[in-house]
Amino acid sequence: AQSVSQHNHHVILSEAASLELGCNYSYGGTVNLFWYVQYPGQHLQLLLKYFSGDPLVKGIKGFEAEFIKSKFSFNLRKPSVQWSDTAEYFCAVNAGTNAGKSTFGDGTTLTVKP
Amino acid sequence: GAVVSQHPSRVICKSGTSVKIECRSLDFQATTMFWYRQFPKKSLMLMATSNEGSKATYEQGVEKDKFLINHASLTLSTLTVTSAHPEDSSFYICSATSGGVTGELFFGEGSRLTVL
Repeated sequence: AQSVSQHNHHVILSEAASLELGCNYSYGGTVNLFWYVQYPGQHLQLLLKYFSGDPLVKGIKGFEAEFIKSKFSFNLRKPSVQWSDTAEYFCAVNAGTNAGKSTFGDGTTLTVKP
Repeated sequence: GAVVSQHPSRVICKSGTSVKIECRSLDFQATTMFWYRQFPKKSLMLMATSNEGSKATYEQGVEKDKFLINHASLTLSTLTVTSAHPEDSSFYICSATSGGVTGELFFGEGSRLTVL
């Protein structure tokens, strides 16, 4: 079975700081990788996803993530965060099945101070 | 993006009663919907996969007789927590997909169940 580990439970940054949220998974086969975001009071929504091809994927709002297969990692990055990026971020993995049958990490709360 | 709506957003019930939570895809047809449970400070735990017109597929450890799932149409799936107990108190979230491995998931806003 897959497992997903998000190392940072709560990250606090000032505006314009750079962001990197860690995500590691355990599964030996082919995986599909996702980052979801939940802004305060809103639904979870897809930030970006990786299925194949270029391991550096770009998502909405200036976010990107890099799949490093040798490290079983899919870290989320943004060069310069904004106050509006304050949200809960979830990494998810599935083993090539329907996107809904993903294993989610425990989430990272990002607080950006203005 | 597509919209998935859950109702009710909050419900409080007495122990022993049953509670129904609805999940609707408002602007697309969802052949597959998913139900999750989220504990405080924890990740989403997939409970079951709901397929339109067929029985739901439950994940290991989820009691199918306690958590009844019905997916009667392409836009509606319901989760009924039967004979609820305080330990069933949780945040329940549904999602719907346009299908396939690459189908994007659209999430509902979640339903907070409190069993007294």
